[in-house]
Amino acid sequence: NAGVTQTPKFQVLKTGQSMTLQCAQDMNHNSMYWYRQDPGMGLRLIYYSASEGTTDKGEVPNGYNVSRLNKREFSLRLESAAPSQTSVYFCASRGQVGEKLFFGSGTQLSVL
Amino acid sequence: KNQVEQSPQSLIILEGKNCTLQCNYTVSPFSNLRWYKQDTGRGPVSLTIMTFSENTKSNGRYTATLDADTKQSSLHITASQLSDSASYICVVSPTLTGGGNKLTFGTGTQLKVEL
Repeated sequence: NAGVTQTPKFQVLKTGQSMTLQCAQDMNHNSMYWYRQDPGMGLRLIYYSASEGTTDKGEVPNGYNVSRLNKREFSLRLESAAPSQTSVYFCASRGQVGEKLFFGSGTQLSVL
Repeated sequence: KNQVEQSPQSLIILEGKNCTLQCNYTVSPFSNLRWYKQDTGRGPVSLTIMTFSENTKSNGRYTATLDADTKQSSLHITASQLSDSASYICVVSPTLTGGGNKLTFGTGTQLKVEL
């Protein structure tokens, strides 16, 4: 049971480049989330998907787009990367309301 | 604005010693509070959860307490081990039915356990 799998683990981009972060979970969870973690700040929600077929903005959605491809997969896309998007990105999933989040191991992204 | 503040920011202790980490929150309404452990280079992992009606919850050498009146929680680690070195994050949820989009995360306490 792999849990939540994120790829890639590390990525370096130049300003203006685009990329997609992939996330997949094998726990049959309904809800999936994308967070970013910056030094000195708590995890901040970028986008989430409460169930297959739905997506909603979180606290810091600007510059990002998401796709809930199916129940397992939830991808995060940076269309034109900016240095302010340098961060560690975490995907998470959750089964039922009130249950704990299961996190992936993160993607460390640097935008030069 | 809902906030979760943790103290200390960082802490160094000797192996075998106990320590207590603090979490103060202003989230309202309040439903439950979780402590997560985040190892370096990994995602957070849930340690404990407490609802507003619970005062204490244990998970092995980890014991969390909650005072919903003063909006404070603590995480006590007993007989620390090198593997306890990690960041400990306090996370507060405002509603019973609220989704993960309603969570407020603290900035974490970085704990280092030394020989």
